[in-house]
Amino acid sequence: GQNIDQPTEMTATEGAIVQINCTYQTSGFNGLFWYQQHAGEAPTFLSYNVLDGLEEKGRFSSFLSRSKGYSYLLLKELQMKDSASYLCAVRDRVSGGSYIPTFGRGTSLIVHP
Amino acid sequence: EPEVTQTPSHQVTQMGQEVILRCVPISNHLYFYWYRQILGQKVEFLVSFYNNEISEKSEIFDDQFSVERPDGSNFTLKIRSTKLEDSAMYFCASSERATSGGEQYFGPGTRLTVT
Repeated sequence: GQNIDQPTEMTATEGAIVQINCTYQTSGFNGLFWYQQHAGEAPTFLSYNVLDGLEEKGRFSSFLSRSKGYSYLLLKELQMKDSASYLCAVRDRVSGGSYIPTFGRGTSLIVHP
Repeated sequence: EPEVTQTPSHQVTQMGQEVILRCVPISNHLYFYWYRQILGQKVEFLVSFYNNEISEKSEIFDDQFSVERPDGSNFTLKIRSTKLEDSAMYFCASSERATSGGEQYFGPGTRLTVT
């Protein structure tokens, strides 16, 4: 999880669909998380992917391609309350053999009416 | 709905002092974590804890840091001699299952200010 790239900011319209991408490089991939973080609050777990493919959970879906080092979070039927920062975090093997999560800088999503 | 709680919500301390940040994880959870987030920066993993032992720790978690589960409900993070750069929001989290797949529930955080 040494290089995790996410767009800094995205804007979208209420009711629309938005896709937030995350690319990463790892030496020993062991899973990818997506979190939502509203300003001044703690992160909230959204999803965990360890195998390739799409995981759907209500309005939110997360996709992973390990061979491409790529994931996306898809948010459907956007609501104003979805305005938040979305954090991609990757579990990577570190020296010593353990796995720890490294977070991206987050994508600030602004939903407007 | 069960939740992770943390105390205090804000702690101000002088450089060189010891601080203990406290967390009460969700009662049936077995895995515990500490993260920190310096204002305006990324969330950073510090340590995970299971079965009264540290499971994983990052490079940030050096000898100045320690964790403990002193009783059946509390989980603490101690910083032995605080530095200015330790100023951050510290989040505790817990999960029912291991990190790999276990949904982690975060507490509201303790804002630590080192002066």
